[in-house]
Amino acid sequence: TQLLEQSPQFLSIQEGENLTVYCNSSSVFSSLQWYRQEPGEGPVLLVTVVTGGEVKKLKRLTFQFGDARKDSSLHITAAQPGDTGLYLCAGLSGGTSYGKLTFGQGTILTVHP
Amino acid sequence: AAGVIQSPRHLIKEKRETATLKCYPIPRHDTVYWYQQGPGQDPQFLISFYEKMQSDKGSIPDRFSAQQFSDYHSELNMSSLELGDSALYFCASSLGFTPWGQNTEAFFGQGTRLTVV
Repeated sequence: TQLLEQSPQFLSIQEGENLTVYCNSSSVFSSLQWYRQEPGEGPVLLVTVVTGGEVKKLKRLTFQFGDARKDSSLHITAAQPGDTGLYLCAGLSGGTSYGKLTFGQGTILTVHP
Repeated sequence: AAGVIQSPRHLIKEKRETATLKCYPIPRHDTVYWYQQGPGQDPQFLISFYEKMQSDKGSIPDRFSAQQFSDYHSELNMSSLELGDSALYFCASSLGFTPWGQNTEAFFGQGTRLTVV
């Protein structure tokens, strides 16, 4: 069974601070996706990282995929109250488990004005 | 752009009743996934279909069944409902897959909130 450990589970910071969320596994994933989810709504895809060592930037968000494709991080620069939400990493299995996403436990981010 | 459509958005059922959840994938997407998300939990994979055939199976109870139809929409049928089945049920769709995960980004619907009383 592939597991994704996401940390921290809760993060409460002030507007303007930087933060990093980590997603770690002992398994290799063919790709890793980051989602943001609002209460009662479906996860919204932020980014997909595929290549080991890949770095993708989405405005103030920077996503990195580990060289071995077992871990990933999400870094937010100068956080804003609008960034508040649940962030989920999800690993995509290759091989015979086509398209099955394994989710981390999520990080609840609260950015205070 | 068209997104994944799920219906109904909310459903209240009594114990031992049955429920049917529907999912309409993004046009031209041929793969559908079902996830269950309990309160405060991350989504748990239930089952997936590719080109109308079951492609993978997760922690789906035997009381649940699902299928993908010729128009690629999918239905999740849940029987003998239990209180513990109360959760958000998400459907996601993607355009095919490759063994190395390329072009397999999954887009989620807004979910169906099922409450069993």
